[in-house]
Amino acid sequence: SAVISQKPSRDICQRGTSLTIQCQVDSQVTMMFWYRQQPGQSLTLIATANQGSEATYESGFVIDKFPISRPNLTFSTLTVSNMSPEDSSIYLCSVLPSSGNTIYFGEGSWLTVV
Amino acid sequence: GENVEQHPSTLSVQEGDSAVIKCTYSDSASNYFPWYKQELGKRPQLIIDIRSNVGEKKDQRIAVTLNKTAKHFSLHITETQPEDSAVYFCAASRGLGDMRFGAGTRLTVKP
Repeated sequence: SAVISQKPSRDICQRGTSLTIQCQVDSQVTMMFWYRQQPGQSLTLIATANQGSEATYESGFVIDKFPISRPNLTFSTLTVSNMSPEDSSIYLCSVLPSSGNTIYFGEGSWLTVV
Repeated sequence: GENVEQHPSTLSVQEGDSAVIKCTYSDSASNYFPWYKQELGKRPQLIIDIRSNVGEKKDQRIAVTLNKTAKHFSLHITETQPEDSAVYFCAASRGLGDMRFGAGTRLTVKP
């Protein structure tokens, strides 16, 4: 499986600010995704990060709030914009390797908005 | 879109007993069904998966069964141990990596 590095691993953010989370993979992968896991909840797909083009967002998530970049096959960023306490969650990067159907997760970025 | 339902939300068993978690899905085009285990404070980890052309798969103490007609699949853990205590998530996908997850089952194995 791919080695996925996410940073920051944890942060406390002020209301109204924005934070960018980085995801780096040690090998080229077919697809990269961003998930959100609110406290005690399941994993919800935010968007698919497309290499060299705009991300594909799921219902309920918009580019203005969660801008995503993927400049190459091994790196992606997710920005959480204009944060409110409701954005306090774990944000997880995940990847689909070139072979197989299974996605693997990064260690997650734990954001607390105060 | 795909909707995955998972039951029960919590499950408590005695060490050595079996545990069964059930999921249903709505999208008949889904063809890949993984199960993830998430321990407190850690990332979800794949424990077993099954594809739509297979009815059952087993890996030591864990097994997964799939009924495509009824659109449901189940996770079976035998001879449970305290280290099996975690939250388990089922998921469904069309094979493109865009997983839809169930709500999760918190399994507690009492020693």
